[in-house]
Amino acid sequence: DTEVTQTPKHLVMGMTNKKSLKCEQHMGHRAMYWYKQKAKKPPELMFVYSYEKLSINESVPSRFSPECPNSSLLNLHLHALQPEDSALYLCASSLRLAGVEDTQYFGPGTRLTVL
Amino acid sequence: AQSVTQLDSHVSVSEGTPVLLRCNYSSSYSPSLFWYVQHPNKGLQLLLKYTSAATLVKGINGFEAEFKKSETSFHLTKPSAHMSDAAEYFCVVSDNTGRRALTFGSGTRLQVQP
Repeated sequence: DTEVTQTPKHLVMGMTNKKSLKCEQHMGHRAMYWYKQKAKKPPELMFVYSYEKLSINESVPSRFSPECPNSSLLNLHLHALQPEDSALYLCASSLRLAGVEDTQYFGPGTRLTVL
Repeated sequence: AQSVTQLDSHVSVSEGTPVLLRCNYSSSYSPSLFWYVQHPNKGLQLLLKYTSAATLVKGINGFEAEFKKSETSFHLTKPSAHMSDAAEYFCVVSDNTGRRALTFGSGTRLQVQP
C-alpha cells in the first residue's frame, strides 16, 4: 500500500479565516513533506519533517504553520492567507530522509482557493 | 547543485504510436532519478525510478526509461500510447546527499490524439 490521503479535497477560505489541511499515511514512513503547486508549474517544496521534527523550511511565510503530531499525521495550519496563496497543496512521504529508499509518494492534494 | 531540463513542454502523439519524453539532468553526485505523472487536478503518481541499479528501468503502465550517464539523460518511452496516458509528466532528480530535496523539471504535457 503506497497511499497518502489528504483532506479536504477542496477548500475555499477568506483572507481572515483560519483553516487546516490534513495529511495521513500508514506506510511507516518517517519523512513527510508539504509542497505548493501553482497551475502549469512543478511542485515547490515548503516543509520537510523527519521523525516528527521540522527538518527543512524553505523560507515559507509564517501564515503557513506546519505541525507533525505523530509519525502518521501531518497538518498545515493556514491563517491570514492572500489570494496568491491559492494553489494545489500536495503532501508526500518517504521511508526516511536519507539513504537510497527515499522515494516520495504523493497524496491527491488539496485545492485551495483564497478569496 | 543539481538541475533537470525537460526538453519539450508539450508533446502530441497519436494513439498507438510511440511516446518519447526527454529529460536531461545535472548533478554533482550520483543521483536518483524519477518520473512522475500527474493527471488533471490529481496528485503525482510515481511511474518509475532509477537508483544506480539497472540502467534500463521498467515502470507502470508500460513505461520505461534508460539512464545514460555519458549523455546525462533519462528519457521516458512507451511503445504504444493510450488515450489514458494524456497527462503532465515530471522528471525529478534527488541528489542523495541526505537533504532529500527533489529537483523537479518544468514538466511535459503529453497529448494523445485519437
